[in-house]
Amino acid sequence: GQQLNQSPQSMFIQEGEDVSMNCTSSSIFNTWLWYKQDPGEGPVLLIALYKAGELTSNGRLTAQFGITRKDSFLNISASIPSDVGIYFCAGQQGFGNEKLTFGTGTRLTIIP
Amino acid sequence: DAGVIQSPRHEVTEMGQEVTLRCKPISGHDYLFWYRQTMMRGLELLIYFNNNVPIDDSGMPEDRFSAKMPNASFSTLKIQPSEPRDSAVYFCASSQTVSPSEQYFGPGTRLTVT
Repeated sequence: GQQLNQSPQSMFIQEGEDVSMNCTSSSIFNTWLWYKQDPGEGPVLLIALYKAGELTSNGRLTAQFGITRKDSFLNISASIPSDVGIYFCAGQQGFGNEKLTFGTGTRLTIIP
Repeated sequence: DAGVIQSPRHEVTEMGQEVTLRCKPISGHDYLFWYRQTMMRGLELLIYFNNNVPIDDSGMPEDRFSAKMPNASFSTLKIQPSEPRDSAVYFCASSQTVSPSEQYFGPGTRLTVT
């Protein structure tokens, strides 16, 4: 099935650095979401975006819904050890179709 | 509040055996989704229900897979007969009608078929 392309695939950063990742699609989505998954656990919802151009924050996390509706971005400021994990974007086309299409994931590692 | 509950957390079975995975959605949620996660294919939607009715099962791999939701608080995903390629982590997620895209995931069941 279709997957969203996430970039980068992996990141190695030092504690305190800012992080940026993005998600792109060839199709338009009407809702974009960002999830984080820790080892051995299910994905946890971080941010949901419903409007093109929307910028939403959740603590140190900020996500944006791209104007073209074909992309989304996630930024993490001042990273801390608990930010380690895999970040997934997900898109929903809506209008009666409640299925989420998930991205390929960005693995974040913090170097001590 | 209790989140989505899945059981078992781990299942190891032999090829050809029947496997049943169980899910209890968050109380009050009327959407329930079953996903499969593998390294090769990532997170894939298998099937989802709305008010206990299957809405889209186009992601179910083949006839060996079946899912039911007999009531608002319980769903099962059954594989019969199981095959080694079914080895994966299976997640259940639920959401509310007011925001169906905001899905809350359970901890998953790691299935190994030998």
